[in-house]
Amino acid sequence: AQSVTQLGSHVSVSEGALVLLRCNYSSSVPPYLFWYVQYPNQGLQLLLKYTSAATLVKGINGFEAEFKKSETSFHLTKPSAHMSDAAEYFCAVSNYGGATNKLIFGTGTLLAVQP
Amino acid sequence: DTAVSQTPKYLVTQMGNDKSIKCEQNLGHDTMYWYKQDSKKFLKIMFSYNNKELIINETVPNRFSPKSPDKAHLNLHINSLELGDSAVYFCASSQGTGSYNEQFFGPGTRLTVL
Repeated sequence: AQSVTQLGSHVSVSEGALVLLRCNYSSSVPPYLFWYVQYPNQGLQLLLKYTSAATLVKGINGFEAEFKKSETSFHLTKPSAHMSDAAEYFCAVSNYGGATNKLIFGTGTLLAVQP
Repeated sequence: DTAVSQTPKYLVTQMGNDKSIKCEQNLGHDTMYWYKQDSKKFLKIMFSYNNKELIINETVPNRFSPKSPDKAHLNLHINSLELGDSAVYFCASSQGTGSYNEQFFGPGTRLTVL
């Protein structure tokens, strides 16, 4: 069975500091991996996805993530945090070649950005 | 234009009642989903339809019954509501059922059962 673990349910950074949100996955088949962001009282928005092409994936709003098979990780980073980045971030996995697009989500990481 | 819309946004009701949530997407997608987000923000898929055909049916009480009248609409009817049904319900859509396809989410419906 596939699963995703997000280390750190709450992360706080200062404005301008590096953002690092951790995600580790478990999958017996090559995974597709996604990062979604949820702003307060809104739906989820895709930040970026890994679909077995380049291991370093660039997304919207200056975020990027690197797929590391040896570490089964897909951590999300941003060089410089903005106040507007404060939100809940979800890592998700979907099985490669699956007949259905079933996303398995992690438990989320709430990012706070301090002025 | 709203890509994926849900009505109502908030729903407060008593235990035992029956309620429906509606979802519409104008993206031309052929696959739609219902997710449940609990009070701890954990998201779990409930159902998925492709071209009006049910393709994902997770372990959900049969009090929950989805219906897809056409590719652009997916409704969720809940019978005999229980306290544990309180959650935010998200509708999503994608083009195709491929595992790499991005899912587009609606704004959610916050259901509170008293």
